[in-house]
Amino acid sequence: DVKVTQSSRYLVKRTGEKVFLECVQDMDHENMFWYRQDPGLGLRLIYFSYDVKMKEKGDIPEGYSVSREKKERFSLILESASTNQTSMYLCATSTGAPPLKQYFGPGTRLTVT
Amino acid sequence: DQQVKQNSPSLSVQEGRISILNCDYTNSMFDYFLWYKKYPAEGPTFLISISSIKDKNEDGRFTVFLNKSAKHLSLHIVPSQPGDSAVYFCAASAITSKLTFGTGTRLQVTL
Repeated sequence: DVKVTQSSRYLVKRTGEKVFLECVQDMDHENMFWYRQDPGLGLRLIYFSYDVKMKEKGDIPEGYSVSREKKERFSLILESASTNQTSMYLCATSTGAPPLKQYFGPGTRLTVT
Repeated sequence: DQQVKQNSPSLSVQEGRISILNCDYTNSMFDYFLWYKKYPAEGPTFLISISSIKDKNEDGRFTVFLNKSAKHLSLHIVPSQPGDSAVYFCAASAITSKLTFGTGTRLQVTL
């Protein structure tokens, strides 16, 4: 069974703080993804990575950066948190082989005050 | 530009009846379609998928239908059970392993 863990379930940060969200997977998957989920907007892709040290922008990368130094770990960084980054953040992994199934972590509910 | 659309934000169905969730897409390059289920405070879990070369895929109570000419897919759940109450997302992929998700439909199965 694939296990995807995220460093925190709930996080409260102040505006302007630097925030790190970590994701770790135990299945040796090549691909890792960061999404945010907001009511009425579904899941929107922030960044993804096909391999160590590789990253690509998703649909909404502004205000975020990522790091993938090891295959099993993918970090999302909010350089200067803002209130509009209050959201549910979801990490996912996949092998990249059809049917392209992604496995999700439990999510981090981030509140920026 | 919303390439994957779920036009019904919510759906209520009686236990034992059929639930039909719909999804429309605009990108004709999509070649895989997936359905995910999400409970509150949990990550989405994969339900069922279909390749663009098929028009139907079945897995137990869940069946996905694909109509390529209409760019439409639907998820049928029969019979619906209270534990099926969740938010359902459809997703699509075009060649790459990146998925584009719809906005979700909240299904409530009532007793």
